Amino acid sequence: AQTVTQSQPEMSVQEAETVTLSCTYDTSENNYYLFWYKQPPSRQMILVIRQEAYKQQNATENRFSVNFQKAAKSFSLKISDSQLGDTAMYFCAFMTYNNNDMRFGAGTRLTVKP
Amino acid sequence: EAQVTQNPRYLITVTGKKLTVTCSQNMNHEYMSWYRQDPGLGLRQIYYSMNVEVTDKGDVPEGYKVSRKEKRNFPLILESPSPNQTSLYFCASSTRTHNEQFFGPGTRLTVL
Repeated sequence: AQTVTQSQPEMSVQEAETVTLSCTYDTSENNYYLFWYKQPPSRQMILVIRQEAYKQQNATENRFSVNFQKAAKSFSLKISDSQLGDTAMYFCAFMTYNNNDMRFGAGTRLTVKP
Repeated sequence: EAQVTQNPRYLITVTGKKLTVTCSQNMNHEYMSWYRQDPGLGLRQIYYSMNVEVTDKGDVPEGYKVSRKEKRNFPLILESPSPNQTSLYFCASSTRTHNEQFFGPGTRLTVL
């Protein structure tokens, strides 16, 4: 069974600093997608970044980037120049090409301090 | 405006009273899915659909039904709700390759 683990229930960072959220997953599949989602206090789920496993190049979206280590089954999210609006729950998720069922981690609550 | 709508946003009901939560998207997305969110567990997928008349079970399908008669709609049906189905529910839609994804605003369901 596919599982996703986020080992940091809570983290904090000073405004303008950089923070890295960790995520590991377990699968025997070779082709899959990985995602990071943001859930601010409004509860709205927002896709932050997406990575396809066959791509070796790490995905980036403005201040957000990932470190994808396929052999280690690791998919960490780096947030640069943290802003107060980055305060939210962050969820890592995984989906195989074959099954299309999505598995989420338990989430990391990030607080950006002024 | 591209969006996923869910109704109702809040619902309090009693055990055994059938209910339906509607979900609609206006982006012509092929993929739609339902999740429940519970503290400490993240989101768990209930059902998903790759296209009209194609639905599949996710991680926690017991006690739920879905249908996909039209591409834009994907209702979630609880035939006989129980208190352990008290949760926050999200509907989502995406393109087939998941490079564009939208979530609905969530439905807070309480079953007494």
